Amino acid sequence: KAGVTQTPRYLIKTRGQQVTLSCSPISGHRSVSWYQQTPGQGLQFLFEYFSETQRNKGNFPGRFSGRQFSNSRSEMNVSTLELGDSALYLCASSGGQWGGDEQFFGPGTRLTVL
Amino acid sequence: AQRVTQPEKLLSVFKGAPVELKCNYSYSGSPELFWYVQYSRQRLQLLLRHISRESIKGFTADLNKGETSFHLKKPFAQEEDSAMYYCALSGLNSGNTPLVFGKGTRLSVIA
Repeated sequence: KAGVTQTPRYLIKTRGQQVTLSCSPISGHRSVSWYQQTPGQGLQFLFEYFSETQRNKGNFPGRFSGRQFSNSRSEMNVSTLELGDSALYLCASSGGQWGGDEQFFGPGTRLTVL
Repeated sequence: AQRVTQPEKLLSVFKGAPVELKCNYSYSGSPELFWYVQYSRQRLQLLLRHISRESIKGFTADLNKGETSFHLKKPFAQEEDSAMYYCALSGLNSGNTPLVFGKGTRLSVIA
């Protein structure tokens, strides 16, 4: 099976812009989770989607949003970018029914906000 | 609320020495605990989970509910064990509990 893929791999934006990141899960996986990874805070949970419904949400401002399509592909959007949004954004998919099943991670999208 | 604490940011050990990476958690329900590992230039991947009770690459971890700990251990460290290790927690069989990670411990095995 092909692994989780994320596009783009690298992105440079300026403050105030918005950005959309894409994630394609492993075939057959219906759960997709997003994480923000930074050197200071480590891995922080953003949100999880299961069968096109947001099932869980982390403590991030409303500028961070996401969605999942019927083919389980997911996108996350960050509006009005701030310098502090610079991070590696990881997507993970899971084949289980519940949020704590084994997560398979993508390579990440490195976002730099100038 | 769920919380995972990894007290050590960096742990350096000599090759052949025992390794213990500490993980403490806080969760009111039945926990499901995991260790994930990220080797240099590789993706984050599952190392082991407590319900499977497996030993992976010589690593083991025992869930201690009394001490709310899930420490990762290996009797003899190898250079290829050098990596970033993350402890993670979710609710057992719960669709309403996301996976929460600790901040990670970087293990450096010195030859």
